[in-house]
Amino acid sequence: AQRVTQPEKLLSVFKGAPVELKCNYSYSGSPELFWYVQYSRQRLQLLLRHISRESIKGFTADLNKGETSFHLKKPFAQEEDSAMYYCALSAYNNAGNMLTFGGGTRLMVKP
Amino acid sequence: GAVVSQHPSWVICKSGTSVKIECRSLDFQATTMFWYRQFPKQSLMLMATSNEGSKATYEQGVEKDKFLINHASLTLSTLTVTSAHPEDSSFYICSARVPLSGDGYTFGSGTRLTVV
Repeated sequence: AQRVTQPEKLLSVFKGAPVELKCNYSYSGSPELFWYVQYSRQRLQLLLRHISRESIKGFTADLNKGETSFHLKKPFAQEEDSAMYYCALSAYNNAGNMLTFGGGTRLMVKP
Repeated sequence: GAVVSQHPSWVICKSGTSVKIECRSLDFQATTMFWYRQFPKQSLMLMATSNEGSKATYEQGVEKDKFLINHASLTLSTLTVTSAHPEDSSFYICSARVPLSGDGYTFGSGTRLTVV
């Protein structure tokens, strides 16, 4: 069965500092990985996915199959980046394709 | 982009009553919808996957008779919490796979259920 692990429940950084939110996964197949963000009082929304290899709001994430990781990075954190971040893996089960979420990391960017 | 509308956003009900939560895809057809439960400060836990016109597939540990899922049309899925108890109080979120989006998913805004 697939599993997604985000080791840090809370990450606190100062504005302008680099930030890295860790995500590790276990899956026997070829993984498709996503980062979702949930701002205060808003719905979950897609931040980026590994297949598109794009940078959104300054965030990037590289899939490292050797280390089974998909860490989210940003060189200079902004206060508006404060939110909950979820790493997710898309995998097939009996019902078809589904998302498995990590436990989430709350990012707090202090002024 | 593709939007999933979820209602109600919050509901308070008495123990023993049933509550229905609706999830509608507004500008696309959702053949598959997912229902999640989120406890405070915890991650989203998949409860069930519903496919239009067929029975939902429930995750292990989720009571089928308590959490009734209906996906009768390509734009509407409902979750009914039957005979609700205080331990059912939680945040429920629906999600749908967006077609032709490279496996993207869109999420409803969630429903906070409080059973008193």
